[in-house]
Amino acid sequence: DIQMTQSPSTLSASVGDRVTITCRASQSISGWLAWYQQKPGKPPKVLIYKASNLESGVPSRFSGSGSGTEFTLTISSLQPDDFATYYCQQYNSFPFTFGPGTKVDIK
Amino acid sequence: EVQLVESGGGLVQPGGTLRLSCAASGFNFSTYNMNWVRQAPGKGLEWVSFISFSSSSLYYADSVKGRFTISRDNAKNSLYLQMNSLRAEDTAVYYCARGQPWGIGAFDIWGQGTMVTVSS
Repeated sequence: DIQMTQSPSTLSASVGDRVTITCRASQSISGWLAWYQQKPGKPPKVLIYKASNLESGVPSRFSGSGSGTEFTLTISSLQPDDFATYYCQQYNSFPFTFGPGTKVDIK
Repeated sequence: EVQLVESGGGLVQPGGTLRLSCAASGFNFSTYNMNWVRQAPGKGLEWVSFISFSSSSLYYADSVKGRFTISRDNAKNSLYLQMNSLRAEDTAVYYCARGQPWGIGAFDIWGQGTMVTVSS
């Protein structure tokens, strides 16, 4: 199975900050990676698919990059609505696996 | 409106069974691959199972293999998860999630989830 790791596990930031979250896969997943945002009591919402493609309706301050085993999610200017937990997920092969999550909270 | 609505969760004793349902609306359900994903209280996301649009391909997480069965009824726009031999560690919110409309894709539509509690 492909293991996914994320860093940091928690990130404290202020509105307007540039935020970067890293996701690593235990083996190459090509570009088959998605990023999700989840708020308490709500289902996840896809932000980025295929490593760098912005899902329709998602603000352009979100961007994704990477390939192979290392990926990043960047929020160019953190907004109040962005405080949430972010998960990466590989869908290169079964079983699909999620990273453990990165909680972005208010500094 | 594109929507997924789960039902069937509840409190069940260890060793018991439960059948979850997911009703789809607002899109052509029969052409989309579907998944179940769960989240234990205060924990991260865990993919549980996948079914292709035609039911020809089924996949399971090792943690549920042999105990859970995924199925779908395209005529009823519905997805199911039959859960047998339930354990305390199966306690979680269970989400159904739609795969993107090309090949094997990310999960672009999620239901609100249904809570399953396994406890005596």
